[in-house]
Amino acid sequence: GAVVSQHPSRVICKSGTSVKIECRSLDFQATTMFWYRQFPKQSLMLMATSNEGSKATYEQGVEKDKFLINHASLTLSTLTVTSAHPEDSSFYICSARKQVDDTGELFFGEGSRLTVL
Amino acid sequence: AQTVTQSQPEMSVQEAETVTLSCTYDTSESDYYLFWYKQPPSRQMILVIRQEAYKQQNATENRFSVNFQKAAKSFSLKISDSQLGDAAMYFCAYRSAPANFNKFYFGSGTKLNVKP
Repeated sequence: GAVVSQHPSRVICKSGTSVKIECRSLDFQATTMFWYRQFPKQSLMLMATSNEGSKATYEQGVEKDKFLINHASLTLSTLTVTSAHPEDSSFYICSARKQVDDTGELFFGEGSRLTVL
Repeated sequence: AQTVTQSQPEMSVQEAETVTLSCTYDTSESDYYLFWYKQPPSRQMILVIRQEAYKQQNATENRFSVNFQKAAKSFSLKISDSQLGDAAMYFCAYRSAPANFNKFYFGSGTKLNVKP
């Protein structure tokens, strides 16, 4: 299978600070990565589509200046929550598709739980 | 945007019995994929089974099978011989056509409890 690693798995920060979450595809190249947000006992909400070498495409209602996404290489995408506030506390999940031999499925990271105090 | 609906927030099944989880979706696309993902308490999503829309034959994967009704836009998951390890949240997902960035959309999830 394909492995997607997300780091950190948990992060606690003070209100007003910025937090970076990394998403890496360990054994495959991913042209496209997706970032989701999941509230407790709810589904995954697509935040943005991250394309290698170009700007991310944000879903309606997602603030691009609040959630900065960078996809600098075929194996790494980062999500930076800028000036975090308690309402940004959530579980963030990244996922990736294979660039080559795309089986159609998404491979998911372990998720990152952000708590903003 | 495409919508995916799971009408059963929670289901319970006795160990070794069979359970069916429902999923419907709304789309105007003809080319798409459908998936069932499992999210155990560890939170990492795991693929259970997938179905290509152009294939009429229902996908099967060991104890897991789907009933794909394209005209009805229905995609249910049947779990046979349920095991304690099957307890998890199950999400139905739709992958859109390449022209729409192959976005994935998820249903609200069904929590499956397996009783010993």
